[in-house]
Amino acid sequence: QVQLVESGGGVVQPGRSLRLSCAASGFTFRNHGMHWVRQAPGKGLEWVAVIWYDGSNAYYADSVKGRFTISRDNSRNTLYLQLNSVRADDTALYYCTRDIKALYIDFWGQGTLVTVSS
Amino acid sequence: EIVLTQSPATLSLSPGERATLSCRASQSISNFLAWYQQRPGQAPRLLIFDASNRATGIPARFSGSGAGTDFTLTISSLEPEDFAVYYCQQRSNWPLTFGGGTKVEIK
Repeated sequence: QVQLVESGGGVVQPGRSLRLSCAASGFTFRNHGMHWVRQAPGKGLEWVAVIWYDGSNAYYADSVKGRFTISRDNSRNTLYLQLNSVRADDTALYYCTRDIKALYIDFWGQGTLVTVSS
Repeated sequence: EIVLTQSPATLSLSPGERATLSCRASQSISNFLAWYQQRPGQAPRLLIFDASNRATGIPARFSGSGAGTDFTLTISSLEPEDFAVYYCQQRSNWPLTFGGGTKVEIK
């Protein structure tokens, strides 16, 4: 079955960097676009970024554009999110999610928590 | 950016009752709207895509309707496991956006 397992979260100081990873299994990773979606504690969902199935294109939320970079390694079935210049309002549970070829999301991981704090 | 406004913020109903949730877009998004359910402590799951198409494995009591700027998710008869938070999401324009959510709670 489809599995998405995030890692790399933790406590990071404002202005520092962090890289999240997502190991995918149970489906043909290279055939699907992938998204990151985040959820601040007790808040709603916020879409962060998407990358095309082949890595040829990526789009970002305005709140992270220029600071975060989404990437993938199809040979390792792994999705990444590089977080630079983090801010307190980046504190959230970050979900790795699968696109169903229409910019909707059909599978979600369990998330990795990023806490930005000095 | 397209803003999705969900109403009401909270819906208090009893099992067996009908739930009607609204999602309004700040501009027309055709039918490019999805609905997700998030139970406490769980990741969201896709219920409806393209406004009215049920995702795989979703019970028939969930239905979606609407086009343009006004959309509705209807749960015909609430089951205990349906008490959760529901989000809408648009894919018409970049960036993709979610609504703020509607919590369906037990009355």
